Amino acid sequence: DQQVKQNSPSLSVQEGRISILNCDYTNSMFDYFLWYKKYPAEGPTFLISISSIKDKNEDGRFTVFLNKSAKHLSLHIVPSQPGDSAVYFCAASVLGGALNFGKGTSLLVTP
Amino acid sequence: DGGITQSPKYLFRKEGQNVTLSCEQNLNHDAMYWYRQDPGQGLRLIYYSQIVNDFQKGDIAEGYSVSREKKESFPLTVTSAQKNPTAFYLCASSRTLAGANTGELFFGEGSRLTVL
Repeated sequence: DQQVKQNSPSLSVQEGRISILNCDYTNSMFDYFLWYKKYPAEGPTFLISISSIKDKNEDGRFTVFLNKSAKHLSLHIVPSQPGDSAVYFCAASVLGGALNFGKGTSLLVTP
Repeated sequence: DGGITQSPKYLFRKEGQNVTLSCEQNLNHDAMYWYRQDPGQGLRLIYYSQIVNDFQKGDIAEGYSVSREKKESFPLTVTSAQKNPTAFYLCASSRTLAGANTGELFFGEGSRLTVL
């Protein structure tokens, strides 16, 4: 059973607007949450992370929000750029465990 | 240049044959992982290794085997027992198992296996 869920397989956003990618999880023991970005035929690359003791982490245009009570996190990209078009994977783990990945959301940023 | 090298990039195999995918890293990382990606399935963990001569099953280990005889190498064998082996396989490494939690998980470019 999938412990990390990304229920939107795709998202289309206009350049300059905000992209919001959502992720839900079922395991309340997860301590760390990460977002990875993947281009076709390449391995994923790390984007941003957040630990369970925080509710927000910001890095440039990327911000991750964590709502532990709702077991929900989201990635905000502002402003969105065409180069952001990729598949975004949400991942989570307990301390000392391997990462569990969601199914990914394909983001398309249109000019 | 430090990184993770997977080979081959593309591989075709006949049903009933075993095939081994190579993964080498020169990052001096202790932990290595194998993930499988299928369309609409995300990344699923096959096996991981925290240290040389030790490895653990992931969520979908059936039909696969691994070895970790050297720190830099973590080959994955897809056996004939794997029912649906056609997929994109990704190898990754991190300095430690815990290091992956903070984003220190680096992926190779992947190997696409097609069973004919």
